[in-house]
Amino acid sequence: AQSVTQPDIHITVSEGASLELRCNYSYGATPYLFWYVQSPGQGLQLLLKYFSGDTLVQGIKGFEAEFKRSQSSFNLRKPSVHWSDAAEYFCAVVPHTGTASKLTFGTGTRLQVTL
Amino acid sequence: SAVISQKPSRDICQRGTSLTIQCQVDSQVTMMFWYRQQPGQSLTLIATANQGSEATYESGFVIDKFPISRPNLTFSTLTVSNMSPEDSSIYLCSAGTGGPPYEQYFGPGTRLTVT
Repeated sequence: AQSVTQPDIHITVSEGASLELRCNYSYGATPYLFWYVQSPGQGLQLLLKYFSGDTLVQGIKGFEAEFKRSQSSFNLRKPSVHWSDAAEYFCAVVPHTGTASKLTFGTGTRLQVTL
Repeated sequence: SAVISQKPSRDICQRGTSLTIQCQVDSQVTMMFWYRQQPGQSLTLIATANQGSEATYESGFVIDKFPISRPNLTFSTLTVSNMSPEDSSIYLCSAGTGGPPYEQYFGPGTRLTVT
């Protein structure tokens, strides 16, 4: 079945440490890939996206993500985490079928940052 | 990008009543989407609303329960009808730009509590 998986429900990192949030997908063809962040009480903000081309994608707030076709993954990274990065992070996909508009979200990873 | 506003931001409603949520976009967009985020969960697409056509509902969501209007390219409403406590959720609208595939920009959400 088609799915997008975020294996880590909750991650805690120290401020200044590096971060990697995992995202795996299971689709026949590589879908379009997105990362969103939801801060407490806020809507979702688009961090970055991958449609094609360079597999290392730069986003806002110092985030980047790397698409690895062989691993069906699109992991989000940040070299040095700030306390304000504490939030819920969602990986999302749009499959290459139909109207290419339906966004399907993973279950989310909650990031806690310790000082 | 697009800036999305929603009204109301939150509401507490009695079971059996209905609530209409408004979504305003700061620019004209073809595609708008409505999502539900149940407590502690990820987002689930309710329906896609194109201007000038009937909304397209996802499996498990029906028009009688979640009627949607899309009168122009900058505005949409979602009504949650005959509410029950199980409808307590955050309801988010989004606007799709570019695409397909669309980049979706989200409103801040409406937090609904049904008592």
